[in-house]
Amino acid sequence: DVKVTQSSRYLVKRTGEKVFLECVQDMDHENMFWYRQDPGLGLRLIYFSYDVKMKEKGDIPEGYSVSREKKERFSLILESASTNQTSMYLCASSQRRQPQHFGDGTRLSIL
Amino acid sequence: AQTVTQSQPEMSVQEAETVTLSCTYDTSESNYYLFWYKQPPSRQMILVIRQEAYKQQNATENRFSVNFQKAAKSFSLKISDSQLGDTAMYFCAFLDGNNRKLIWGLGTSLAVNP
Repeated sequence: DVKVTQSSRYLVKRTGEKVFLECVQDMDHENMFWYRQDPGLGLRLIYFSYDVKMKEKGDIPEGYSVSREKKERFSLILESASTNQTSMYLCASSQRRQPQHFGDGTRLSIL
Repeated sequence: AQTVTQSQPEMSVQEAETVTLSCTYDTSESNYYLFWYKQPPSRQMILVIRQEAYKQQNATENRFSVNFQKAAKSFSLKISDSQLGDTAMYFCAFLDGNNRKLIWGLGTSLAVNP
């Protein structure tokens, strides 16, 4: 079975902090994705990566950056956290034309 | 632009009954894939069922089946013999065969009542 592991289930940070969310997949998938999920807004894509060091903006990239130095790891960075970035963050991975597999999610609170 | 619409924000069903969740999509592509995902409360998003557009036969996974109407661009999910564990958010998603990103519906919250 594919396993996608997110580093934290719950995280509390302060405004202005630099925040790192880590995601690791164990199936050699080429694609990795970061979403945020808010009630009534569904899943919104922040960034995705289709190869090491390659990335593309999703629908809501503002205030975020990503890093993919190794194929199995995809990091989401909040450069200067703000309260409107309080949300559930989901990481996923996939092969081309295959379903995405998700981690457990990180519930991030910015105080 | 490709879109996915789930017209039922919330639904409820009695245990052991059958319920159908609707999903429509819009695309000009001929090669694509459709998925239903399930997200139980505070739990992981998991794939329920998938359908390739070129396959005419409707996909089935145990109690879950789809009604894929390609001309109408409709992809509904039928859950038979509903169980309490089926209580979850259900998301419909579309994947263009030439793309890597899923297009998501906003979800349907399904409550299965005892």
